Amino acid sequence: QITLKESGPTLVKPTQTLTLTCTFSGFSLTSSGVGVGWIRQPPGKALEWLAFIYWDDDRRFSPSLKSRLTISKDTSKNQVVLKMTSMDPVDTATYYCAHARLGLFGELDWFDPWGQGTLVTVSS
Amino acid sequence: QSALTQPRSVSGSPGQSVTISCTGISSDVGGYKYVSWYQQYPGKAPKLIIYEVTKRPSGVPDRFSGSKSGNTASLTISGLQADDEADYYCCSYAGSSTFVVFGGGTKMTVL
Repeated sequence: QITLKESGPTLVKPTQTLTLTCTFSGFSLTSSGVGVGWIRQPPGKALEWLAFIYWDDDRRFSPSLKSRLTISKDTSKNQVVLKMTSMDPVDTATYYCAHARLGLFGELDWFDPWGQGTLVTVSS
Repeated sequence: QSALTQPRSVSGSPGQSVTISCTGISSDVGGYKYVSWYQQYPGKAPKLIIYEVTKRPSGVPDRFSGSKSGNTASLTISGLQADDEADYYCCSYAGSSTFVVFGGGTKMTVL
């Protein structure tokens, strides 16, 4: 059974850097065809994909947020870490991490399952 | 504004069928077989219900079905049940640079 859980601060101040950790079990992020993505959802709004890390350490970022994001993995701890700089109140959202399967040429096939999400509020 | 366009809301009576559309462009929905759909209840994480346009994960009722024509994907829920009242999101692979795009979500109401 695959499970994921997000952890990190619930409140950050504007201009600060947000660091979120996704701790997972039930799969290995060294296995071919596997990845972990981060997706966020502002209150009452739609899902927005942020970042993705492949089993081979390749990475993808949302074009609109690329300059603010980093993603890394620690396979020994079964963790993926997302960092987002220059936080602003508009970044207030529930942040999810999700296990992903990939297509033959690295295409994103699907996200499943998802973590429970963690609500991050940006306010001074 | 989301990359994929979905109706904000749809509704139907129990037992009816309802279809939710998801319109993109040739470099996302129209260009790949990697369209997925997610069901989300309030306060809960999304759940995968359709992947690769038409496939259902184990445990998802066959009342849920997916299709695609050109740049538009569709999710059809037949035999509507009260439990189907939720938000539904489409998602598509969009090439190596853009990578992933989501729809704006559709609120399904069972009358």
